[in-house]
Amino acid sequence: ETGVTQTPRHLVMGMTNKKSLKCEQHLGHNAMYWYKQSAKKPLELMFVYNFKEQTENNSVPSRFSPECPNSSHLFLHLHTLQPEDSALYLCASSQDIGQMNTEAFFGQGTRLTVV
Amino acid sequence: QKEVEQNSGPLSVPEGAIASLNCTYSDRGSQSFFWYRQYSGKSPELIMFIYSNGDKEDGRFTAQLNKASQYVSLLIRDSQPSDSATYLCAAASMYSSASKIIFGSGTRLSIRP
Repeated sequence: ETGVTQTPRHLVMGMTNKKSLKCEQHLGHNAMYWYKQSAKKPLELMFVYNFKEQTENNSVPSRFSPECPNSSHLFLHLHTLQPEDSALYLCASSQDIGQMNTEAFFGQGTRLTVV
Repeated sequence: QKEVEQNSGPLSVPEGAIASLNCTYSDRGSQSFFWYRQYSGKSPELIMFIYSNGDKEDGRFTAQLNKASQYVSLLIRDSQPSDSATYLCAAASMYSSASKIIFGSGTRLSIRP
């Protein structure tokens, strides 16, 4: 248990569906991240939020829409996904990007399958 | 050019030996570096972080950082079968408008009994 909780743990959705991934951190951190991990590929940074403001959008397609209502919650809204979007989606948080030892703590991930 | 590069492996090391994992990074603005361990089907967990040149030791693990060469390494002494996992190197940039933690592709380590 790292203090970062993701729901759901598994999700199967059709290409025309709309779903949302949720992440909640209980660590008092100010930065939150979405990463995508596909099979046999490195972790890909998708979005970064620092103090609720988006500071990084790593050229992610618009079918992925993040939302950060406060420093403890992060959502990833999904719509009209493609089968190649099937992957493990990991949420992480860190204390403050401006500090030196700003290690990221990961949630357990959501295993997404697009059919 | 990949921002954080690692040899994908697999790296096979006999039990009890020293495992050496290497990582290079391209962004000279990176100031903090992390080693994560990821077991199959699990999320990454932090092993060590380092931000000063030199060595940092924690139990069987030693992280080494050389900013001039843009090189980070992780040594695992007295390797155990439970150390078999993928090891991810990460670099954090501190720019306020583009702050991010970037991961390498990971090195798969296998400890053989």
